[in-house]
Amino acid sequence: QITLEESGPALVKPTQTLTLTCTFSGFSLNTGGGGVGWIRQSPGKALEWLALIYWNDDKRYSPSLKSRLSITKDTSKDQVVLTMSNMDPVDTATYYCAHPTLRYCSSTSCLEYFQHWGQGTLVTVSS
Amino acid sequence: DIQMTQSPSSLSASIGDRVTITCRASQSISNYLNWYQQKPGKAPNLLIYAASSLQSGVPSRFSGSGSGTDFTLTISGLQPEDFATYYCQHSYTTLTFGGGTKVEIK
Repeated sequence: QITLEESGPALVKPTQTLTLTCTFSGFSLNTGGGGVGWIRQSPGKALEWLALIYWNDDKRYSPSLKSRLSITKDTSKDQVVLTMSNMDPVDTATYYCAHPTLRYCSSTSCLEYFQHWGQGTLVTVSS
Repeated sequence: DIQMTQSPSSLSASIGDRVTITCRASQSISNYLNWYQQKPGKAPNLLIYAASSLQSGVPSRFSGSGSGTDFTLTISGLQPEDFATYYCQHSYTTLTFGGGTKVEIK
């Protein structure tokens, strides 16, 4: 059974750096196919994909937020950490981590989807 | 980056109705398209992957179709538990989500 759980501060101040941790079980980032992604959702808004890391340390970021994001893994703890710099009130959102399934790849693209999600953690950016 | 446009943004329907939601990509994404359902306060739930493959455990009244730039999610015989917001997501380059379609009770 795959489970994921997000943890981190509920409140951060503008300009601060947000650090979120995803602790997971039921899969490993030491083995082929394992990965963790981060998705956020501002109140009343759509889902927004942020970043993704795979077992082979392949890292991908949303182009619009790439300069502010960093994703790392700690395989000994079964954790993935997302940092987002220079937080702003518009970054107030529920942040989800999720386990991607990598179904198949062509020469240029891969079919990936999120089958398992954490419950999400609400982060408010306010002074 | 490839943008995903869903339509309509919201719709009202009755129990038993056939509901169709459209997702259009700004360029061809082959069949690298997935659909999710999200209920208030909950994480999204995968319904369809690869444009038309039904995720295990998802009722057969949900179906997906399309390829290239135009995709459709159809709910055949809307049930009370289907009132929710639906999102498409592509993985052709990044993993971009559409803007969502909220299905409400008429």
